[in-house]
Amino acid sequence: GENVEQHPSTLSVQEGDSAVIKCTYSDSASNYFPWYKQELGKGPQLIIDIRSNVGEKKDQRIAVTLNKTAKHFSLHITETQPEDSAVYFCAASTGGADGLTFGKGTHLIIQP
Amino acid sequence: SAVISQKPSRDICQRGTSLTIQCQVDSQVTMMFWYRQQPGQSLTLIATANQGSEATYESGFVIDKFPISRPNLTFSTLTVSNMSPEDSSIYLCSARGNAYEQYFGPGTRLTVT
Repeated sequence: GENVEQHPSTLSVQEGDSAVIKCTYSDSASNYFPWYKQELGKGPQLIIDIRSNVGEKKDQRIAVTLNKTAKHFSLHITETQPEDSAVYFCAASTGGADGLTFGKGTHLIIQP
Repeated sequence: SAVISQKPSRDICQRGTSLTIQCQVDSQVTMMFWYRQQPGQSLTLIATANQGSEATYESGFVIDKFPISRPNLTFSTLTVSNMSPEDSSIYLCSARGNAYEQYFGPGTRLTVT
């Protein structure tokens, strides 16, 4: 089955700086790669996603890049703000009736 | 996007008992899924809740322990049976429409004593 590796497990950045979280996947059939933000005591919130026919997608301060050949994808957050502090999860899916396989998560800490 | 609610939000249960968690979506969806998130850990898919047929379980999860119902396109239940302390986790419901996006409920925090 699919295996998703996520790094780093903890990331501390100064407010205003950029943060990058990286994931790799193992199943070349995976074609959908979402990113979730989870705040304490809440369910995961979908923040951005990318399909395998696209190399990059951007939504305001958040962007995701995908390298299908290398089987890795990354989340980029620019101009970080205190409210960006949370746990971020990457995931992969082959679509169809399949659920998501998640990475282990990254605890992002924004230092004031 | 779909709005998903779960009941109960949290519960404390005794070993050997069962708990049924309800998941309600505000619109008809194609797929519904159940995940488990152990404290401080990532999410693991338990099963796909199929409307009108038996759920599809992932490796390591069995129907006798986690029976699932999905009577219609907006509602599903997950039962955690014969609970032990190892079942203490957050149980999350998710839903997917015709697109690929999958949205999650707020979770049910279960503690087994």
